[in-house]
Amino acid sequence: DTAVSQTPKYLVTQMGNDKSIKCEQNLGHDTMYWYKQDSKKFLKIMFSYNNKELIINETVPNRFSPKSPDKAHLNLHINSLELGDSAVYFCASSQDLKDYEQYFGPGTRLTVT
Amino acid sequence: AQTVTQSQPEMSVQEAETVTLSCTYDTSESDYYLFWYKQPPSRQMILVIRQEAYKQQNATENRFSVNFQKAAKSFSLKISDSQLGDAAMYFCALHNTDKLIFGTGTRLQVFP
Repeated sequence: DTAVSQTPKYLVTQMGNDKSIKCEQNLGHDTMYWYKQDSKKFLKIMFSYNNKELIINETVPNRFSPKSPDKAHLNLHINSLELGDSAVYFCASSQDLKDYEQYFGPGTRLTVT
Repeated sequence: AQTVTQSQPEMSVQEAETVTLSCTYDTSESDYYLFWYKQPPSRQMILVIRQEAYKQQNATENRFSVNFQKAAKSFSLKISDSQLGDAAMYFCALHNTDKLIFGTGTRLQVFP
């Protein structure tokens, strides 16, 4: 069974569109994260949620809105997509906020044309 | 501010040889964790090795070992008996309080 899964794995869309990326973890973890990896491979945290509550928002544009319907899911919705949003987005989870070990999903490559 | 620096954008090694990837970090915390992640072309992030800052003994996982110098804030990864499958991007990361902070990565090439 996949521990952290993301859908879709690839997403190609046009500027101005709205899209969502879904993430699910079956590890029973309380904390979930979204990371962005840019074209230079730099990985940076965007958001973290603990028990469905937003904990970290790393100055991400408000076009990005994470939504956590339950603690096993953390979806990322992006409005009015821009060329600069093209990147690989990783979901991750950990047992709780203090747990150092994070399990990563396979990533979603988003291409905005 | 917490930072992680990897000063080697690219490294190469001959198969069966040993290579060391460098990482330095900065944090004001006394309790933290350090990691090396491997990202092959499949882009999956794979945890290679972890080090708890309170442990003086260097972590080892099979062919992978670290040289953790807490006072110098240095955390290098040594890969022994390199294999073709070790070719990947390697990221050093610092877990501080509630998030992972990554370095910029080192691309490792392995030549037969």
